[in-house]
Amino acid sequence: DVKVTQSSRYLVKRTGEKVFLECVQDMDHENMFWYRQDPGLGLRLIYFSYDVKMKEKGDIPEGYSVSREKKERFSLILESASTNQTSMYLCATGGQVLETQYFGPGTRLLVL
Amino acid sequence: GNSVTQMEGPVTLSEEAFLTINCTYTATGYPSLFWYVQYPGEGLQLLLKATKADDKGSNKGFEATYRKETTSFHLEKGSVQVSDSAVYFCALKEFTNAGKSTFGDGTTLTVKP
Repeated sequence: DVKVTQSSRYLVKRTGEKVFLECVQDMDHENMFWYRQDPGLGLRLIYFSYDVKMKEKGDIPEGYSVSREKKERFSLILESASTNQTSMYLCATGGQVLETQYFGPGTRLLVL
Repeated sequence: GNSVTQMEGPVTLSEEAFLTINCTYTATGYPSLFWYVQYPGEGLQLLLKATKADDKGSNKGFEATYRKETTSFHLEKGSVQVSDSAVYFCALKEFTNAGKSTFGDGTTLTVKP
């Protein structure tokens, strides 16, 4: 069974804090993705990585950075959290290009 | 670029009713098509998929047929249950897009007993 885990289900942070969201997969997949999900806006891609130390910007990278030091781990970093980054954050992995993505359970982040 | 357009929700049905959620897409090549489901408080999980024209994906009583001529992948179920209440996402992946998925906005389904 594919396992994609995210470090927290719920997180409350203050404006200006540096926030780390971590994602770990056990499928040996090359591709990993970070999305945010907001009501009425669907899923929006923040960043993705197709190999260790490789990253590419998605559709909404502003205010975020990522780190992939090991194949199984992909971290999303909010350098200075703002209230408009309150959202549900979903990590996903994928193997072959045309195959299924596997999602983690999500982290619901509230920035006060 | 690629895009996926889903029927707007929310959709509310009575148990045992017939379900259709429309999905149409725009792609430059030959995408794979997916339906994902998100139950309350969870991440997305694959419901079904189809990789080429005229393929039918099916799972848990849900079906969708890849129609290249109408660029559609409509989701259907003959008799919905309360447990089918969830958000449904149509998505595509294309070889030229480096493994990224393009998602529709999601359709919320509520099934009442």
